[in-house]
Amino acid sequence: GAGVSQTPSNKVTEKGKYVELRCDPISGHTALYWYRQSLGQGPEFLIYFQGTGAADDSGLPNDRFFAVRPEGSVSTLKIQRTERGDSAVYLCASSLAITGELFFGEGSRLTVL
Amino acid sequence: GENVEQHPSTLSVQEGDSAVIKCTYSDSASNYFPWYKQELGKRPQLIIDIRSNVGEKKDQRIAVTLNKTAKHFSLHITETQPEDSAVYFCAATDSWGKFQFGAGTQVVVTP
Repeated sequence: GAGVSQTPSNKVTEKGKYVELRCDPISGHTALYWYRQSLGQGPEFLIYFQGTGAADDSGLPNDRFFAVRPEGSVSTLKIQRTERGDSAVYLCASSLAITGELFFGEGSRLTVL
Repeated sequence: GENVEQHPSTLSVQEGDSAVIKCTYSDSASNYFPWYKQELGKRPQLIIDIRSNVGEKKDQRIAVTLNKTAKHFSLHITETQPEDSAVYFCAATDSWGKFQFGAGTQVVVTP
């Protein structure tokens, strides 16, 4: 398929554990975004990349959250020492241009017990 | 930074009636305003968008209006159908590409 792919679709972990969420954007899309969505809320901005560099990481809640995109394509969102409040759906989106249509993945649902 | 507020949070309409959702934004540099529809358990998908050099845009039963002076934009759905039931999100971004989303409107179309 040619859409945005996110893995895993579901992740259950224990408090204090480390988690990695992966996003494979649409081929050729230079902009890649991470959002977090809690039940009944709108997507909350975390970080976005233009190419390999983080253009804006002001939405990352604290230093437990980190994201990389080393080759300008696949991105990984890393969460250290997970807390119950981190439970949410993590959405990835990609775009051909930074003010173009966002194409979202199906999301990774993270549950921290 | 940009702040987007969206109202109402829920909207119940009779099939065939119109639905209107309103959003306000704070950053006068914002110049692109998309609307996304999210069905239960699915990904958000773009339904219509508008740029700051245009006041209104229409696509079949859906239209969006933008008032730059007042910093608000609205989604209008006419002749609503059951398949329009979903959560709708507005968003705003400036030329730097940081999209901020509203909190969403749950639209329920009753037959």
